[in-house]
Amino acid sequence: SQKIEQNSEALNIQEGKTATLTCNYTNYSPAYLQWYRQDPGRGPVFLLLIRENEKEKRKERLKVTFDTTLKQSLFHITASQPADSATYLCALGDNNDMRFGAGTRLTVKP
Amino acid sequence: NAGVTQTPKFRILKIGQSMTLQCTQDMNHNYMYWYRQDPGMGLKLIYYSVGAGITDKGEVPNGYNVSRSTTEDFPLRLELAAPSQTSVYFCASSYSGVTEAFFGQGTRLTVV
Repeated sequence: SQKIEQNSEALNIQEGKTATLTCNYTNYSPAYLQWYRQDPGRGPVFLLLIRENEKEKRKERLKVTFDTTLKQSLFHITASQPADSATYLCALGDNNDMRFGAGTRLTVKP
Repeated sequence: NAGVTQTPKFRILKIGQSMTLQCTQDMNHNYMYWYRQDPGMGLKLIYYSVGAGITDKGEVPNGYNVSRSTTEDFPLRLELAAPSQTSVYFCASSYSGVTEAFFGQGTRLTVV
């Protein structure tokens, strides 16, 4: 069956460092991969989308890579700030449905 | 521009009762989704729709039903509520299958 795994439940880093979150998948050939941010009590908010034929995408302090051979995406937040503290979810889609990993809770300490 | 609107925000149901969670979007999006999120977990896809009149099952459809008679609305029906359906339910929409999704604020449902 399809499986989407995010590397850890929680990640704690110091302000100013780079946070790296991992999303691995099996038994899936997604057309795209997305990353979302979710704050407590709120719905997810879209951050970045990368398609299967793209290797890397950037947006301000965010960078996402997509390796369809390794079946893995890495999500980086550079120069992290306490305001970046949230749960980050990866989502995979195949032009029809969209399925999520369990998320990684990131805490950036001042 | 309201985006995706879900009602109600909170609801307590007794075992065996039924209810409909409402979801409407004003962005003329073709795709709509229903997810449930249990505490500390990710989102599980219940049902989705790629356009009016078309619906399909997701990962956890048992105990739920949906309809999509218009582009704007995608209600989720619980027929016989069970404690296992206690969760936060999110509705989302997107223009196509490969574009960003917009989420509602969620409905927190408790079945007792």
